[in-house]
Amino acid sequence: AQSVTQPDIHITVSEGASLELRCNYSYGATPYLFWYVQSPGQGLQLLLKYFSGDTLVQGIKGFEAEFKRSQSSFNLRKPSVHWSDAAEYFCAVGGYSSASKIIFGSGTRLSIRP
Amino acid sequence: EAGVTQSPTHLIKTRGQQATLRCSPISGHTSVYWYQQALGLGLQFLLWYDEGEERNRGNFPPRFSGRQFPNYSSELNVNALELEDSALYLCASSLSQTTAGNTIYFGEGSWLTVV
Repeated sequence: AQSVTQPDIHITVSEGASLELRCNYSYGATPYLFWYVQSPGQGLQLLLKYFSGDTLVQGIKGFEAEFKRSQSSFNLRKPSVHWSDAAEYFCAVGGYSSASKIIFGSGTRLSIRP
Repeated sequence: EAGVTQSPTHLIKTRGQQATLRCSPISGHTSVYWYQQALGLGLQFLLWYDEGEERNRGNFPPRFSGRQFPNYSSELNVNALELEDSALYLCASSLSQTTAGNTIYFGEGSWLTVV
């Protein structure tokens, strides 16, 4: 069965510190993977996506993610967080077969300590 | 280019009533998705439409229904509203997902409150 696990419900980091948000997936075929960010009361904005090729993907706002097939992971990283990065982050997985829907993780809420 | 637009932004209904939410996809997108985001429950997949047909459905009761119009816009109907239907309903669109691998883009959502 398809699933996405974000093991950290809430993370707090200091402004300027590095960040890593974890994402593990279970998928029976080659997946494609996304990270989205949601500010309070708003829709989801795409940060980055992995379809194929280079396993290190660069996104907007200085974020990057690395696809590790052997670990079924797609962790999101940022070398130095800003107060404006405080938001909810969602990892998602989809498949290359038709009629496959995109599955979202439960989200990780990021708080920034001044 | 306009993004995914949803209306209304906020909607308040009483138990037992019906709610209709609307979504206009990005121009050129033929796939439309609906998700429910209730407090503490993350994003739950509701429905996926492509080219006017329902392609997939999440684990929701039949009182959640919808349709996609010839211009690819979509509406979500929730009948016999219950208190637990209170949530943010997110619509998203993409190029035809039947070819797979297309990114989905979200609207700002419609807040439904059932009292």
